[in-house]
Amino acid sequence: AQSVTQLGSHVSVSEGALVLLRCNYSSSVPPYLFWYVQYPNQGLQLLLKYTSAATLVKGINGFEAEFKKSETSFHLTKPSAHMSDAAEYFCAVSLKGGFQKLVFGTGTRLLVSP
Amino acid sequence: SAVISQKPSRDICQRGTSLTIQCQVDSQVTMMFWYRQQPGQSLTLIATANQGSEATYESGFVIDKFPISRPNLTFSTLTVSNMSPEDSSIYLCSVVSATGSQEAFFGQGTRLTVV
Repeated sequence: AQSVTQLGSHVSVSEGALVLLRCNYSSSVPPYLFWYVQYPNQGLQLLLKYTSAATLVKGINGFEAEFKKSETSFHLTKPSAHMSDAAEYFCAVSLKGGFQKLVFGTGTRLLVSP
Repeated sequence: SAVISQKPSRDICQRGTSLTIQCQVDSQVTMMFWYRQQPGQSLTLIATANQGSEATYESGFVIDKFPISRPNLTFSTLTVSNMSPEDSSIYLCSVVSATGSQEAFFGQGTRLTVV
């Protein structure tokens, strides 16, 4: 079975500071990994995805994530936080190695202060 | 990209009643899914909606409680039956496009409160 662990239910940063949201996965087969963002009262939006190509993946809004097989990690980063980045972030792994059924982590709420 | 319309956006229901949630997509999609997001928690897959046949349910979810229909490639419904306060959640429809990147898209969700 595949699973995802997100460390830290809340992360607080100052505007302009580095954003680091942690995600570790467990999978018996090479995984597909995703980061989604959920703004208040909205659905989920895909930030970026890893599909066994380049290990450093660039997404929308300046976010990127690096797949590290040796560490079973897929941490999300952004060099400089913006107030508009405040949201809930979910890491997810595909159950069948495709863009289909997803297993989600518990989510991390990013708080950005002025 | 796929645009998903989910109705209703929110509802408050009495325990013991049922609510049907609709999911309409603006293009033909291969896969449609229903997820539940309980308060303060992550998303859990309920089932895969299969066109013209019975849905495929995940462990812990049964058809009698969450009947699902998918009469065509662009529409699906999820019914939450005989509701209790524990069913208070956000229910989200997700689709994977038949073409392009096969990215999973999500509706805005239905916020259900059972009193």
